[in-house]
Amino acid sequence: EPEVTQTPSHQVTQMGQEVILRCVPISNHLYFYWYRQILGQKVEFLVSFYNNEISEKSEIFDDQFSVERPDGSNFTLKIRSTKLEDSAMYFCASSALGAVQETQYFGPGTRLLVL
Amino acid sequence: DQQVKQNSPSLSVQEGRISILNCDYTNSMFDYFLWYKKYPAEGPTFLISISSIKDKNEDGRFTVFLNKSAKHLSLHIVPSQPGDSAVYFCAARVRNAGNMLTFGGGTRLMVKP
Repeated sequence: EPEVTQTPSHQVTQMGQEVILRCVPISNHLYFYWYRQILGQKVEFLVSFYNNEISEKSEIFDDQFSVERPDGSNFTLKIRSTKLEDSAMYFCASSALGAVQETQYFGPGTRLLVL
Repeated sequence: DQQVKQNSPSLSVQEGRISILNCDYTNSMFDYFLWYKKYPAEGPTFLISISSIKDKNEDGRFTVFLNKSAKHLSLHIVPSQPGDSAVYFCAARVRNAGNMLTFGGGTRLMVKP
């Protein structure tokens, strides 16, 4: 069964450093998403991406964040200058279509720890 | 932001019995609802969904009920199995407002053998 994969599974970084989280969405999917879950809190939407551009973003997704689809398979989330409060589990998701009925399938997540 | 709320942080059920997980929402623009299951160290796994034009959707042991007037939905698992032990999240989307999912805080279900 096709699945979303994410690398690395864990990332530890120093405050102020740049991190890139990588995702390989399901191959025939067209919509890609990033969510995060701070420990003990809800899963929160960050950004959605379609046709090589951001289609929607939350207020969490400020100028420190960027997304890219560098090739036909990868989808990346970059945090330019990490802050302590960026420590969270980051989930990538993808869906075949963006229609309201389309299910988003999630990857296993990357646990980011900023020291 | 409490647009989607799961008031029970945990639920314990005996194997074979029914598990009922509840979810309330405040945004009347939500038009589509989903339930996800999450095991530790894994991402959320889609379980079942329901459109606001329906009041019930069933898939095997899982049934989701939607009461729009009460802005309430519930997930029924019958019969419950130990492998169902996980955190269950309800999520909602607004029609014509992009694809953003708004999640509840989750309910940890423990099914005892």
